[in-house]
Amino acid sequence: EIVLTQSPATLSLSPGERATLSCRASQSVSSYLAWYQQKRGQAPRLLIYDASNRATGISARFSGSGSGTDFTLTISSLEPEDFAVYYCHQRSNWPETFGQGTKVEIK
Amino acid sequence: QVQLVQSGAEVKNPGASVKVSCKALGYTFTDHSLHWVRQAPGQRLEWMGWIIVGDGNTHYSQHFQDRVTITRDTSANTAYMELSSLRSEDTAVYYCVRETRYCSGGTCRDYFEYWGQGTLVTVSS
Repeated sequence: EIVLTQSPATLSLSPGERATLSCRASQSVSSYLAWYQQKRGQAPRLLIYDASNRATGISARFSGSGSGTDFTLTISSLEPEDFAVYYCHQRSNWPETFGQGTKVEIK
Repeated sequence: QVQLVQSGAEVKNPGASVKVSCKALGYTFTDHSLHWVRQAPGQRLEWMGWIIVGDGNTHYSQHFQDRVTITRDTSANTAYMELSSLRSEDTAVYYCVRETRYCSGGTCRDYFEYWGQGTLVTVSS
């Protein structure tokens, strides 16, 4: 099973700042990786697919990069609604797996 | 619009079974596979299995292989996930999820776009 390790566990930033989140896979997942945002009490929301493409309706301040084993989600300028937990998810190998999450909190 | 509406919260004793339903609205039910993903308190999301709604074929995570059963009723546009031999570690929010196909650079892949609202299952004596 592929293990996804996200870092940091918590990111404390102010609105307007740039957020950089990392996801590392224990073996290559090519570009078959997604990022989700989850707010308290809500289901996850798809942000990025194929490592670098924004899903339908997602703001351009969200961007993704990477391939193979190292991936990054960047939020260019944090809005108040962006403070949440973010998960990466690989569908390259069965069983599909998720990272443990990065919490982006208000500093 | 696409909605997945799940059944309400459940409280079960250890050793019992639970069956969670997921009603699909706003699209042709048989056109998309459905997955089940759970999230225990403070834990990462965990994929449990999926059903190809069109033909009823299922695939399960080995972690749940002997305890989970996913079915569907196409006349009711509803999928079900039954988990047996419950233990305290099964306390979690259970989500049904529908795939959407995204295409980029000539390659098409399916991703988890639509999620149900989640069903909290609490296992406690």
